[in-house]
Amino acid sequence: GQNIDQPTEMTATEGAIVQINCTYQTSGFNGLFWYQQHAGEAPTFLSYNVLDGLEEKGRFSSFLSRSKGYSYLLLKELQMKDSASYLCAVVDSNYQLIWGAGTKLIIKP
Amino acid sequence: DAMVIQNPRYQVTQFGKPVTLSCSQTLNHNVMYWYQQKSSQAPKLLFHYYDKDFNNEADTPDNFQSRRPNTSFCFLDIRSPGLGDAAMYLCATSREIAGGTDTQYFGPGTRLTVL
Repeated sequence: GQNIDQPTEMTATEGAIVQINCTYQTSGFNGLFWYQQHAGEAPTFLSYNVLDGLEEKGRFSSFLSRSKGYSYLLLKELQMKDSASYLCAVVDSNYQLIWGAGTKLIIKP
Repeated sequence: DAMVIQNPRYQVTQFGKPVTLSCSQTLNHNVMYWYQQKSSQAPKLLFHYYDKDFNNEADTPDNFQSRRPNTSFCFLDIRSPGLGDAAMYLCATSREIAGGTDTQYFGPGTRLTVL
């Protein structure tokens, strides 16, 4: 079967750095998305990786290792507004988007 | 601004009473999706349209139907809502089928309560 694993919940301090990991086992791979979802709201696009390596976009960076079936989202200089769920989603060989259950990130002052 | 709009944002219905949720988009995207998301769970794809081509997920109950009368609008019909259908329903669009760099853009969602 297809599977996306992320930690259920993480806690970090305002101003700090946090890394949210995602491991996947899917039938084929055509890219990996990270979405941010605030409570009661729709997911919003953060990043897309299809090649190995690190993609940096402001305070957020996303890393991919296809050989390891692994990605992480790195958030720097955490702000209270970063409290949200972070969803990892993989595009499989049929171009279906397989979603993880998300990691709830709690930011403390 | 180009966007995905869902109405209503909150919908309350009674057990067994049909309900229709609507989605419209000004992005002129070919693909529209309906997801069901329950608390702390991954979004679950119910079906998607590639233009007028309807694609039903194998495990989507028959109780859920969809219509796409034109490029801009898509409807989700729940024929006989049960208590287990209470969830957030998310509409999303993408230019092409999810793949490559075709990001999905989500509407704000409709939270359905079944009494």
